[in-house]
Amino acid sequence: SQKIEQNSEALNIQEGKTATLTCNYTNYSPAYLQWYRQDPGRGPVFLLLIRENEKEKRKERLKVTFDTTLKQSLFHITASQPADSATYLCALRMDSSYKLIFGSGTRLLVRP
Amino acid sequence: DTAVSQTPKYLVTQMGNDKSIKCEQNLGHDTMYWYKQDSKKFLKIMFSYNNKELIINETVPNRFSPKSPDKAHLNLHINSLELGDSAVYFCASSQEGRADYGYTFGSGTRLTVV
Repeated sequence: SQKIEQNSEALNIQEGKTATLTCNYTNYSPAYLQWYRQDPGRGPVFLLLIRENEKEKRKERLKVTFDTTLKQSLFHITASQPADSATYLCALRMDSSYKLIFGSGTRLLVRP
Repeated sequence: DTAVSQTPKYLVTQMGNDKSIKCEQNLGHDTMYWYKQDSKKFLKIMFSYNNKELIINETVPNRFSPKSPDKAHLNLHINSLELGDSAVYFCASSQEGRADYGYTFGSGTRLTVV
């Protein structure tokens, strides 16, 4: 069956460290993968997109990698800050479909 | 402000009632979506319209009916509400061919059926 898996347990790290979140998928062939941030009581906010033919993408303190052989994306936040605390969602989209399919998200807590 | 706005933000209603949630986007996007987020925070696609044409219709009860009067609006009507319909419903929009900008989501409508 098709699945998108993110760590269901919260990731708890110290301010200043690098946070690494994982997104694994099975039985999908995505054209691209997106990462979103969601704060409590708010809608998801788009952060980054990485395409199937790209290995890595960066935006300020954010870095995303995409390994289509491992069927995995890693999302890194360097020099993390308490303001980075939120739930982070990965989402896949196939070429043949309009559907953006979300993982269940990982909660990140950055301690001051 | 450019945004996706949905109303109401909170909706508390009794089982068996019929209710509507409205969504409007002023971003000029051509595609709009309804997602449902359950208590486990899992976001699931329900419907999508591209230029007023229904393009995604997931397996949802036919008590749920989307309506898109124009490409800036996508409303969701729910008949005969059930306890299990309680969730947060998000509207979103995007522009086909501009994937690098992602989807823009509204702030959600928390529906509670009692």
